[in-house]
Amino acid sequence: QQQVKQSPQSLIVQKGGISIINCAYENTAFDYFPWYQQFPGKGPALLIAIRPDVSEKKEGRFTISFNKSAKQFSLHIMDSQPGDSATYFCAAGGTSYGKLTFGQGTILTVHP
Amino acid sequence: DAEITQSPRHKITETGRQVTLACHQTWNHNNMFWYRQDLGHGLRLIHYSYGVQDTNKGEVSDGYSVSRSNTEDLPLTLESAASSQTSVYFCASSGIDSGYTDTQYFGPGTRLTVL
Repeated sequence: QQQVKQSPQSLIVQKGGISIINCAYENTAFDYFPWYQQFPGKGPALLIAIRPDVSEKKEGRFTISFNKSAKQFSLHIMDSQPGDSATYFCAAGGTSYGKLTFGQGTILTVHP
Repeated sequence: DAEITQSPRHKITETGRQVTLACHQTWNHNNMFWYRQDLGHGLRLIHYSYGVQDTNKGEVSDGYSVSRSNTEDLPLTLESAASSQTSVYFCASSGIDSGYTDTQYFGPGTRLTVL
């Protein structure tokens, strides 16, 4: 019930391409879905987050798409850049408690 | 600037020894969390706290303990270190913003090796 499944485990994209990472959750009580970005040797940092009252949220080149009925959400990185190379984690949580359940992570490599 | 720090950044220990990892935050956040990161498993929650004297078990709490005596610190103790506890450990903290789950701010991590 608490699982968040993330795919793919790794992704290689050419500069300028679109990177897409998918996540699925089981617990219908989740109502907060953040994405975290982690560079080597650093802690994860919030990239973008969405709540289920909207189906899409865009911040610059990063977009979250949310499908409540399918219990799925995804991160799209447009015009991917080598500086986007990092590990990306999706997560899910509830407004009534502060903890998050994280996906397994996706290692993104953007080739110049 | 507010921050969250972890110490030590690297630690090598032997099987059976007790190890304590420190976490200190200056955000004045009520919520604090400990995760371990392993390839293929993502970030798994070990223990968490919603305030002073409050502690709760996460999904992988066996062999770990925490205590919260003040707002700023949540030390993580490995009672008897095992090789399976070799991992990178992250501490995080969050507040409550307008009643919603707030952003978790992560420390830089501690790389622990148990020989």
